[in-house]
Amino acid sequence: GAVVSQHPSWVICKSGTSVKIECRSLDFQATTMFWYRQFPKQSLMLMATSNEGSKATYEQGVEKDKFLINHASLTLSTLTVTSAHPEDSSFYICSASQGLHDEKLFFGSGTQLSVL
Amino acid sequence: LAKTTQPISMDSYEGQEVNITCSHNNIATNDYITWYQQFPSQGPRFIIQGYKTKVTNEVASLFIPADRKSSTLSLPRVSLSDTAVYYCLVGEAGNNRKLIWGLGTSLAVNP
Repeated sequence: GAVVSQHPSWVICKSGTSVKIECRSLDFQATTMFWYRQFPKQSLMLMATSNEGSKATYEQGVEKDKFLINHASLTLSTLTVTSAHPEDSSFYICSASQGLHDEKLFFGSGTQLSVL
Repeated sequence: LAKTTQPISMDSYEGQEVNITCSHNNIATNDYITWYQQFPSQGPRFIIQGYKTKVTNEVASLFIPADRKSSTLSLPRVSLSDTAVYYCLVGEAGNNRKLIWGLGTSLAVNP
């Protein structure tokens, strides 16, 4: 199956710093990628839809200036958590699908962010 | 948007068949049913997808009755490594943004 690589797996940072998370589709081109956040024992919450070559679509309540998304190529999307605070500590996951009409999502392994 | 309802948790033993049922009473004509598996601290993994009747692959079977208001994921002969959270999602083809992730079913497989 299709492989989505997410990096880093975990990151610890100080409050006020920015953290960048990368999501790569290794063996397919992904015009659309999705970014989720998941708190312990909770479900996945979609944060934004990343579209190659255009601006990301953010879900209601997600600050676009805080969670910067860049999808510069068909295989790479990045999420930057700017000026991170302890409440941003969470598990961030990306996913991608292979085509416009392919319903299956392929997920990265996730990034555990801990903000001190 | 089709809402799904599934048991919060289930217990089983190694070697048993496990059936997890998901209710989706307001499923739309264009909606597919997809199941994902998630281990702790990992991203979800696609298990199986179907539209109607029965679908089988190397890891699971998906049973969908004619009215499509429910579906059952069947895991044959589970092992300890099948302990995970299983999510049932219903959504229109190509519209992954609209998928709603519930809490899933936490399956515990005991020795």
